[in-house]
Amino acid sequence: QQQVKQSPQSLIVQKGGISIINCAYENTAFDYFPWYQQFPGKGPALLIAIRPDVSEKKEGRFTISFNKSAKQFSLHIMDSQPGDSATYFCAASKSGGSYIPTFGRGTSLIVHP
Amino acid sequence: KAGVTQTPRYLIKTRGQQVTLSCSPISGHRSVSWYQQTPGQGLQFLFEYFSETQRNKGNFPGRFSGRQFSNSRSEMNVSTLELGDSALYLCASSLPGDTQYFGPGTRLTVL
Repeated sequence: QQQVKQSPQSLIVQKGGISIINCAYENTAFDYFPWYQQFPGKGPALLIAIRPDVSEKKEGRFTISFNKSAKQFSLHIMDSQPGDSATYFCAASKSGGSYIPTFGRGTSLIVHP
Repeated sequence: KAGVTQTPRYLIKTRGQQVTLSCSPISGHRSVSWYQQTPGQGLQFLFEYFSETQRNKGNFPGRFSGRQFSNSRSEMNVSTLELGDSALYLCASSLPGDTQYFGPGTRLTVL
């Protein structure tokens, strides 16, 4: 059973456009939602994360929107650049203790110049 | 602080052999997790170690094993390699229950 569903699987955006990746989770115990960015040949790197006490978090061109009642969260990349082309993973976990994050399947983003 | 390091970065083995991968966590991080990443399956959790004890284990056969040393460094071992074991193996370290930080991975190819 996949506890975090991520969509779309792939995304092509023109330079300057907005990239939107969505994730939905099932376990209401999750209280920490990070997004990771992975370039080919590299490990995933933490991009931005949110906790459910806020509905939105922005860091530069990257914004997480969080809807607790719908159990959904999304990543918005504003003014997308070719350098943003990478695979993006959402994850959900419960802080504290030995809880292991559950990852989405990933979204391959291509930003055309 | 130095990030998570993994050695070797690339490895080529043949079916039936065994392999040992190494991970050095970020200084102060005592939790180390291992993941297998393949194009079809995404990130699959293998196991987590904390203070030299395996605390969580994913759904992988017993051919996959690991250990953690007193300095928090960790190794994972895969015995009797199969073609399907070809993957990127990622190590991540964290403070207990906190954000995981990944290493660059070890690319294992089984011929």
